[in-house]
Amino acid sequence: GQNIDQPTEMTATEGAIVQINCTYQTSGFNGLFWYQQHAGEAPTFLSYNVLDGLEEKGRFSSFLSRSKGYSYLLLKELQMKDSASYLCAVRDGGGGNKLTFGTGTQLKVEL
Amino acid sequence: DAGVIQSPRHEVTEMGQEVTLRCKPISGHDYLFWYRQTMMRGLELLIYFNNNVPIDDSGMPEDRFSAKMPNASFSTLKIQPSEPRDSAVYFCASSHDRVGKPQHFGDGTRLSIL
Repeated sequence: GQNIDQPTEMTATEGAIVQINCTYQTSGFNGLFWYQQHAGEAPTFLSYNVLDGLEEKGRFSSFLSRSKGYSYLLLKELQMKDSASYLCAVRDGGGGNKLTFGTGTQLKVEL
Repeated sequence: DAGVIQSPRHEVTEMGQEVTLRCKPISGHDYLFWYRQTMMRGLELLIYFNNNVPIDDSGMPEDRFSAKMPNASFSTLKIQPSEPRDSAVYFCASSHDRVGKPQHFGDGTRLSIL
């Protein structure tokens, strides 16, 4: 099975940098995804990591350490519109594209 | 390109009634997933299909839930009879069968069982 842990809530200031951590314990691993979900909307894909290291995509970056079962999502130059829930999801080690999602980190960006 | 399309967007019905949720995946996607999201339990996978065949239904709560995928462009999730604890947002998602390809989610069906 999969066990995924994320902080429940975080608060940050507009213009700042925030790091959202995710730790996982899995029976198999074939990649880690980050999704953003605004209130009342569907999750939308942000990033994917399968090898160790940092993947950068504009203001968002995601890091993975497979040996530590650890990932983080880094958001730079925070904007009010970044207030949302951020979901970490691990892809199953078996065949297929099955994901197990964490419960999400609710980020609030304040002035 | 059209995304994943779900219907209805909202459903309010009385306990004991049959509920049918519908999903049209993105054309060309091999996988289709049904999820349920609640405040208490987060996003839970109910069942998923590969090339219209159910692969893993271990997340289906009980026999009151059933899902079908008669063809590559349509799937249904049915609850019969419905109960108040089934109230949740139900998402459908689809993806390609390639490493690293993300799942794309529909807008969800907000289901309230009174």
